Amino acid sequence: DIQMTQSPSILSASVGDRVTITCRASQSISTWLAWYQHKPGKAPNLLIYKASYLQSGVPSRFSGRGSGTEFTLTISSLQPDDFATYYCHQYNTYSSGSFGQGTKLEIK
Amino acid sequence: EVQLLESGGDLVQPGGSLRLSCAASGFAFTTYVINWVRQAPGKGLEWVSAISGSGVNTYYADSVRGRFTISRDNSNNTLHLQMNSLRAEDTAVYFCTRPMVRGLGAFDFWGQGTVVTVSS
Repeated sequence: DIQMTQSPSILSASVGDRVTITCRASQSISTWLAWYQHKPGKAPNLLIYKASYLQSGVPSRFSGRGSGTEFTLTISSLQPDDFATYYCHQYNTYSSGSFGQGTKLEIK
Repeated sequence: EVQLLESGGDLVQPGGSLRLSCAASGFAFTTYVINWVRQAPGKGLEWVSAISGSGVNTYYADSVRGRFTISRDNSNNTLHLQMNSLRAEDTAVYFCTRPMVRGLGAFDFWGQGTVVTVSS
């Protein structure tokens, strides 16, 4: 099974900061990686697909990079609405460990 | 408009069974793989199961294989998850999700979830 490892688990930042979250796959997944934003009581929201493609309607301050086993999600200038939990998700194969464990983005 | 509406969540005792459903609308249901993803209290997202558009191919996470069965009724645009031998660790919000493409893909549509609680 492919395992996804995200870091950090918790990230404290301020409005206007630039932040980066990292996701590593236990084996190569090419660019078959997505990023989601998840807020309590709501369904997750797709931000990035195929590692670097911005989903329609998602603000351009979100960007994704990477291929193979190393990926990043960057928010260029944090807005109040961005404080949430972020997950990476590999869709190269069906696997028990398809999602990273999440990164909670907190207000500093 | 694509919509996914889960139902069937409930309080059930350990060892019990439950059947979740997901009613889909607004897209060509029979051509898409549909997935179940869950989130236990205080935990992250966990992929649970998937089923091909025809229903012939099914996929399961190790944690549920042999206890859960995914199925679909393409005549009624409905997905099901039969959950047997339930354990406390199956307590979670269960989401049905649709990928962007007709196969493996990022999940661009999600239902709002249904709550399963396994407790005596």
